[in-house]
Order: sequence, then structure tokens, then C-alpha cells
Amino acid sequence: QQQVKQSPQSLIVQKGGIPIINCAYENTAFDYFPWYQQFPGKGPALLIAIRPDVSEKKEGRFTISFNKSAKQFSLHIMDSQPGDSATYFCAASGSGTYKYIFGTGTRLKVLA
Amino acid sequence: DTGVSQDPRHKITKRGQNVTFRCDPISEHNRLYWYRQTLGQGPEFLTYFQNEAQLEKSRLLSDRFSAERPKGSFSTLEIQRTEQGDSAMYLCASSPGDRGTGELFFGEGSRLTVL
Repeated sequence: QQQVKQSPQSLIVQKGGIPIINCAYENTAFDYFPWYQQFPGKGPALLIAIRPDVSEKKEGRFTISFNKSAKQFSLHIMDSQPGDSATYFCAASGSGTYKYIFGTGTRLKVLA
Repeated sequence: DTGVSQDPRHKITKRGQNVTFRCDPISEHNRLYWYRQTLGQGPEFLTYFQNEAQLEKSRLLSDRFSAERPKGSFSTLEIQRTEQGDSAMYLCASSPGDRGTGELFFGEGSRLTVL
């Protein structure tokens, strides 16, 4: 129940494409769902986050879609750029602890 | 630089040795977290502090691991009698707790290699 399942494991898109990364969770007590971006040799950095009271959130080129009934959420990157090439992690937390349970990550490569 | 600072960034040690990592969180962040990340995996929660109190420890944190945050500021993570399976990136993160948005601010990590 504590797992967050993330797919795909890796993704290659052309510049300008729209990569989509999916995550699913089981624990209905989770109430905060962030996406983190990590470059090699660096720590993860917050990209965008959503709470279950909304179904979609956009920040710049990044959009989270959230389906509470299906217990799924996804990240869409519009007009992807080579600089977006990184590993993306979804996560979930609850009960105000902000103790994240992370997905296994998606390695994204955007071709120029 | 006012971000989360971790030291050392890299540590190579022989099996059986003890190692200690230090984390300096963002000033005035009352929560501090330790995570472990192995190659190709997401970070795994180890433990977290609110001020100087250690509120939760993962089952991943065996008896060989100990973490402290003595004055509610910096924290140390010690691994005794290291094993090759301890090789990983140890990430520290901080947050302002209930006063924040939920974001954890991560440091760049301390990479441990056990030979």
C-alpha cells in the first residue's frame, strides 16, 4: 500500500514532443503528489505538485493530470526541449509528514 | 548559497569501516529528512526530524545506522561496520514543515562507495 508505481522506465522523444509519465498509488491517505526532476550528480528538485482536490495543474510547460478515483496521476511536458533530458520521479505523501514515497523514476531523453 | 548542504560529497571506504555524513539544512527549516538512493531507483525514506526530535525511522535503517540532529540545526548520519550493500547516494532534504507548501528541498547528496 505504500508503493508508488511509475512508468515507463525510460522515454525518448523528439524535440517539441509531449512525453507523458504515469504513476499509480494505493494508499488513499496520500494527499500530496509532487514531481521531481533530477540531473546526474544532483539532488532532486521540485518541478510541480498537486493535491487531490484538483484534477489538473499547469506550471509553464509542465502539467499534472490527477484521477482520484483511479488513483493515478501523470506528468505531461509540452514542447519538450533537450534541456528537459533528466530523470523524473513522482512521489506521494500524506498525514502532513511530507515523508515522500517515490516512484522508481523515468529517464527522459529529448532528441535535438 | 542558502540551499541544503551535504558533506562529504563522495566517500570511498573499506568494508567494516564507519562513515559519517553531515547535512546542513536551509536556515529555519524545522524538518530534516534522510533518504537513500541506489542506481536506477527512486530515493527511499530513511528517517526524519522535527527540530531535534527524530519522529520516524524506516525499517531500512538497521541498527548499524544512526542519525542525530542535536540542536535542531545540522544533522549527521553515521553508518557503522559498513557493508557493500550500503553503497548508495545519501540524500538530505529539509522543509519548513507545516508552514510550507509540502516541498522538500534536497541537497546534492553524499555518495558512498564501500569496497
